[in-house]
Amino acid sequence: GDSVTQMEGPVTLSEEAFLTINCTYTATGYPSLFWYVQYPGEGLQLLLKATKADDKGSNKGFEATYRKETTSFHLEKGSVQVSDSAVYFCGISSGSARQLTFGSGTQLTVLP
Amino acid sequence: GAVVSQHPSWVICKSGTSVKIECRSLDFQATTMFWYRQFPKQSLMLMATSNEGSKATYEQGVEKDKFLINHASLTLSTLTVTSAHPEDSSFYICSAQGGLASNNEQFFGPGTRLTVL
Repeated sequence: GDSVTQMEGPVTLSEEAFLTINCTYTATGYPSLFWYVQYPGEGLQLLLKATKADDKGSNKGFEATYRKETTSFHLEKGSVQVSDSAVYFCGISSGSARQLTFGSGTQLTVLP
Repeated sequence: GAVVSQHPSWVICKSGTSVKIECRSLDFQATTMFWYRQFPKQSLMLMATSNEGSKATYEQGVEKDKFLINHASLTLSTLTVTSAHPEDSSFYICSAQGGLASNNEQFFGPGTRLTVL
């Protein structure tokens, strides 16, 4: 079945630092790839997505590129803010049911 | 954008009682709804998938008689935790999918925190 391996946290950065959260996956076929963000006590919000190889998803300064050759979808942001503090989940969706499989989540804390 | 609501946002109940959680798609028709469970500092685990008008499909290890799922309309799915026990305390999150028109994207509710005393 599908699986997602995500960089373990927690990650603590200073404001304006560069962020990378690694995500690799195994899946049958050609999955769609997602990054979701979860703020404390809330559900998940879609941050960005990519549906085919070499696509780059971007939103709010975050980017991730669908790398089929390395089966990766690493999340990056050039300059993080305190408000980016949250848990980030990498997810993939494949198959006819389009179910989502999530990574373990990475807690990001940005200090002022 | 697509909005999914959950009610209640939190609930505390006594052991042995049943609790119903509602998941509604507010501005689109959800042909499929998913129910997830999340323990503290852990990822979301899919519990079941429900399609409107048919029986839910449960993931391995999820007791269908304990977690009753009903998806009677295209905008509402309910999860009932029957005879709840403290180990059922968790954060329950639903998501809704609107079929091909939405590119099969899932939209998540805000979650319901269940505490069983």
